[in-house]
Amino acid sequence: EAGVTQFPSHSVIEKGQTVTLRCDPISGHDNLYWYRRVMGKEIKFLLHFVKESKQDESGMPNNRFLAERTGGTYSTLKVQPAELEDSGVYFCASSLLAGSSYNEQFFGPGTRLTVL
Amino acid sequence: RKEVEQDPGPFNVPEGATVAFNCTYSNSASQSFFWYRQDCRKEPKLLMSVYSSGNEDGRFTAQLNRASQYISLLIRDSKLSDSATYLCVVSPSILTGGGNKLTFGTGTQLKVEL
Repeated sequence: EAGVTQFPSHSVIEKGQTVTLRCDPISGHDNLYWYRRVMGKEIKFLLHFVKESKQDESGMPNNRFLAERTGGTYSTLKVQPAELEDSGVYFCASSLLAGSSYNEQFFGPGTRLTVL
Repeated sequence: RKEVEQDPGPFNVPEGATVAFNCTYSNSASQSFFWYRQDCRKEPKLLMSVYSSGNEDGRFTAQLNRASQYISLLIRDSKLSDSATYLCVVSPSILTGGGNKLTFGTGTQLKVEL
């Protein structure tokens, strides 16, 4: 079974440009999360979708970041306009939405974003 | 203060050694606890969940002390393949099917050498 996939794997853009990151969760996973790791810091939560609805977007840094999950399948995270401090690795994760036990979050390989 | 504190290391140990990592968390409302493993330039992968009663998976033993808000991971008989960064992770959500927001420590780097 395919894992979580992310595209692109790397992106280098200039300050002020727009970048859109894509995440395809594991098929059947209704929970989708975005996380970010800035160099030298810990991985931080950005937001959480349940199907197409935003369940928690408390980690989104500012209104330059827009996440969508139309149709409840893949998700996109757009940064517009990008700033230098947005550089880092953006991880997507997905998990099942069922049952009462912890549902493991499976992470994608990440998109390494560099803003020059 | 960070929500999850870990010694960044690196811990350089010989093959076959026993090594222990610790972490502390600040949110007393945290309900779920995990150790994740992250190889260089790869994604984090769940190593094991951590329970108050302690749990063991092969050479790995995890412990949780809720009163002290302290989590530990013990690796016995270290292998070269254990070299990685070990991330202490907590979640404030009650274990439900609704999903859990994860809070990560910065990770502890382990290097196992011949």
